[in-house]
Amino acid sequence: EAGVVQSPRYKIIEKKQPVAFWCNPISGHNTLYWYLQNLGQGPELLIRYENEEAVDDSQLPKDRFSAERLKGVDSTLKIQPAELGDSAVYLCASSLEGTSGPPANEQFFGPGTRLTVL
Amino acid sequence: QKEVEQDPGPLSVPEGAIVSLNCTYSNSAFQYFMWYRQYSRKGPELLMYTYSSGNKEDGRFTAQVDKSSKYISLFIRDSQPSDSATYLCAMSESAGNMLTFGGGTRLMVKP
Repeated sequence: EAGVVQSPRYKIIEKKQPVAFWCNPISGHNTLYWYLQNLGQGPELLIRYENEEAVDDSQLPKDRFSAERLKGVDSTLKIQPAELGDSAVYLCASSLEGTSGPPANEQFFGPGTRLTVL
Repeated sequence: QKEVEQDPGPLSVPEGAIVSLNCTYSNSAFQYFMWYRQYSRKGPELLMYTYSSGNKEDGRFTAQVDKSSKYISLFIRDSQPSDSATYLCAMSESAGNMLTFGGGTRLMVKP
C-alpha cells in the first residue's frame, strides 16, 4: 500500500514569493491533516479536513496561508507571500477517520516538504 | 511554558541498553497518549498509543502513563542502532481532538 505522497520534497524561494505544496493521502482515508514542523520541534496542526470540509483551521494563519481539498482526495497548501519565518517542514498526514478512536484515527505521515525562504 | 515538555537530548546509549524516554504535560484533560518515531528526513510514524493510565507493551517497547503525575514514558529494551531517531510524544483530549506534540528527544544508539 502506498503511503502519503507529498511534493515537492524541497523548495527554496525568496521572501514575498508564493509557494504551494501538494499532498496525496492514502487511498480511502477521509481525514487529511497539514502540519508545520520547525527544526527541533514537534509538528503543529495547521488544518484538518474531513472529506472536503475544513473542520479545524484555527491554527492556520489565514492572512497568508490557504488550503483546499477538492473532491475530498488530494490537497494543496499555499503560502502567499512567503516570509522568512515560514522556513520549516510542512507535513501532510491522513487517517481513515478523524473522530473515532484508535486505530481508525491513526495518522500516517508523509515525508514532508522542506521549505527554505531566503 | 509549553503544554507538553520533552528533553530534546541527544541521548546517546550503547547497543543493548535500556532506554527511557519521558514527557510531562500540564493539561489534565489529555486522555490519549501516543509515541511517534521520526527518522531524519522522514515523517513521524506511530509506535504506540495508550488510553488513560497504565502500561502497554509491544515487543521491545513499553509505554507507561501516570496521569496523577502528568508523566508518560517509553522504554526501549535491547536498543539497536536502528532505533536511532527522534521520539515524539503526542496527546489529545479525545479521539477526535487535535494532537499536541512534544518537541521530541533525539536518541542515538551506538554499535
